[in-house]
Amino acid sequence: KNQVEQSPQSLIILEGKNCTLQCNYTVSPFSNLRWYKQDTGRGPVSLTIMTFSENTKSNGRYTATLDADTKQSSLHITASQLSDSASYICVVSLNTGNQFYFGTGTSLTVIP
Amino acid sequence: DSGVTQTPKHLITATGQRVTLRCSPRSGDLSVYWYQQSLDQGLQFLIQYYNGEERAKGNILERFSAQQFPDLHSELNLSSLELGDSALYFCASSPGGGPPGDTQYFGPGTRLTVL
Repeated sequence: KNQVEQSPQSLIILEGKNCTLQCNYTVSPFSNLRWYKQDTGRGPVSLTIMTFSENTKSNGRYTATLDADTKQSSLHITASQLSDSASYICVVSLNTGNQFYFGTGTSLTVIP
Repeated sequence: DSGVTQTPKHLITATGQRVTLRCSPRSGDLSVYWYQQSLDQGLQFLIQYYNGEERAKGNILERFSAQQFPDLHSELNLSSLELGDSALYFCASSPGGGPPGDTQYFGPGTRLTVL
């Protein structure tokens, strides 16, 4: 079982609509959680990073939330645009041993 | 543009061969990471180097090796290539020694096709 699970695996939404992507993790001891956006065939780009004490972090139309008690995070995209079509990857870093874990990603397609 | 450069952009080779992928980190970054991303798969962490020394190891095969040179560029060597090694190989760099504090900046990737 993957230690960082993302859902849904894929999602199709209409342009202008909102959506929420989920990330659940089991690894510990938790240090921080990052969301990356990866356009097809390109390297991931960091969207947000949250530490244990942060509940929410925004970057433009992207808002990430974190519940470290339940080990859940979400990425909310507001007023989606065609350029939001990409894979969104959740990455959890630990406090020890320079370890980090990637989720398998959610593929988002925004259609006109 | 992340500031991380990778060469070549594309590479086509045959099974059993050996190839070298090259990565130049962002100016000032000391860590280099290598990742493999197969078709429809997530990113698989291979290995990290920090200031010339191996820092962390992930799911890197014994047929694969890497090194970081004094000028901080890095090379990933893939040998005895198999069809299953066909993938996108990403390099990333970060300013410090790595997680938890560092943000990684990814290069554009090298697409390897093994025929």
